[in-house]
Amino acid sequence: EIVLTQSPGTLSLSPGERATLSCRASQSVTSTYLVWYQQKLGQAPRLLIYGASKRATGIPDRFSGSGSGTDFTLTISRLEPEDFALYYCQQFDTTTSTFGQGTRLEIK
Amino acid sequence: QVQLVQSGAGVKSLGASVKVSCKASGYTFTAYNINWVRQAPGKGLEWMAWINPNTGASDSAQKFQGRVTMTRDTSISTAYMELNRLTSDDTALYYCARRLRYCSGSSCYNYFDFWGQGTLVTVSS
Repeated sequence: EIVLTQSPGTLSLSPGERATLSCRASQSVTSTYLVWYQQKLGQAPRLLIYGASKRATGIPDRFSGSGSGTDFTLTISRLEPEDFALYYCQQFDTTTSTFGQGTRLEIK
Repeated sequence: QVQLVQSGAGVKSLGASVKVSCKASGYTFTAYNINWVRQAPGKGLEWMAWINPNTGASDSAQKFQGRVTMTRDTSISTAYMELNRLTSDDTALYYCARRLRYCSGSSCYNYFDFWGQGTLVTVSS
């Protein structure tokens, strides 16, 4: 099973700042199978990025994804108040999938 | 519009089983795999299993093998996840999610594009 480790566990920033979230895999992940979700309190996760770098429909361009192999990054260029939430990366293996443990993005 | 509507919350006893349903609408049910993801209170997302509604084929994370069963009823566009031998660690919000897979050129993509509202399962002694 591929283990995804997200860092930091909690990121404290102010609106307008840049956020960089990391997702590291225990072994190489096919980049087209690396996904990022946002989750707000009491809601189901929302798709942000798929294929490591492709924004889902309706996702603002301040969100971007990058990376390959074992290291992936989600960047939010200028934080808006609504961006403070939980973020998860996910990978798809041959027949299974795993999530990272999440990064909490909180207002400083 | 695509919707996944899950069954209601429930309280189960230690050692019992729970069966959660996920009714799909707004798309061809047999065209997309349904996955199950759970979230314990205050914890992260945990992928559990998937089912192919067309063929009935399924698979699960190793930690759930032998304890989880995925089924479907195509006549009512509904997928089911049954978890047996419940312990307190199984107290969680259980989500179903539709997996979209598409290929463009030589690249294929997987992601969950629609999610159910979640079903809270509480295991109580």
